[in-house]
Amino acid sequence: EAQVTQNPRYLITVTGKKLTVTCSQNMNHEYMSWYRQDPGLGLRQIYYSMNVEVTDKGDVPEGYKVSRKEKRNFPLILESPSPNQTSLYFCASSLFSAPTNSPLHFGNGTRLTVT
Amino acid sequence: DAKTTQPNSMESNEEEPVHLPCNHSTISGTDYIHWYRQLPSQGPEYVIHGLTSNVNNRMASLAIAEDRKSSTLILHRATLRDAAVYYCILRDVSGAGSYQLTFGKGTKLSVIP
Repeated sequence: EAQVTQNPRYLITVTGKKLTVTCSQNMNHEYMSWYRQDPGLGLRQIYYSMNVEVTDKGDVPEGYKVSRKEKRNFPLILESPSPNQTSLYFCASSLFSAPTNSPLHFGNGTRLTVT
Repeated sequence: DAKTTQPNSMESNEEEPVHLPCNHSTISGTDYIHWYRQLPSQGPEYVIHGLTSNVNNRMASLAIAEDRKSSTLILHRATLRDAAVYYCILRDVSGAGSYQLTFGKGTKLSVIP
């Protein structure tokens, strides 16, 4: 089944303890992206990747890192999480980065709580 | 980046048509209009997209104004399962625009039985 898989679905951690949220897609998509969703703010893009080894900042990249060493994987890294990074995170992918209008496919989300 | 404006919330009766508006007055000629929706406790899902002409698929119809400064997502018969947040976004396909995709806050659709 074609899908975007995020892990874990739920994560509770403490301030400063490094963590990684994994994202994997099995559709050979070029474009991958991370979003965070907070009440009243909608979906905000953190980082995106147009292809392997090509990443760029979205609207709210501070406090996050990403890497794209393989086409299928796009992990989100929080080197030193803080409580303001408590949020619902979504990974998404699409077939091509640009120029294209290929739809985005989203994962089911990771709910992160930083205490 | 061209941005979109949507009402915060809308209500519809079950089995009636729903028209969800989106304004995008700074749209460029190479921006496609995409609609996504997010059901409770799920990730967003693609609904429909278009450039200039009206578009139909099994989920919805998209009506695009002649000047392309606004569009309307049409659900022909709302069901309880259509209760979701609907997002209208613009996607630049020229390659010259940013690859960032900004979703905004969307419109929360409530369907009344």
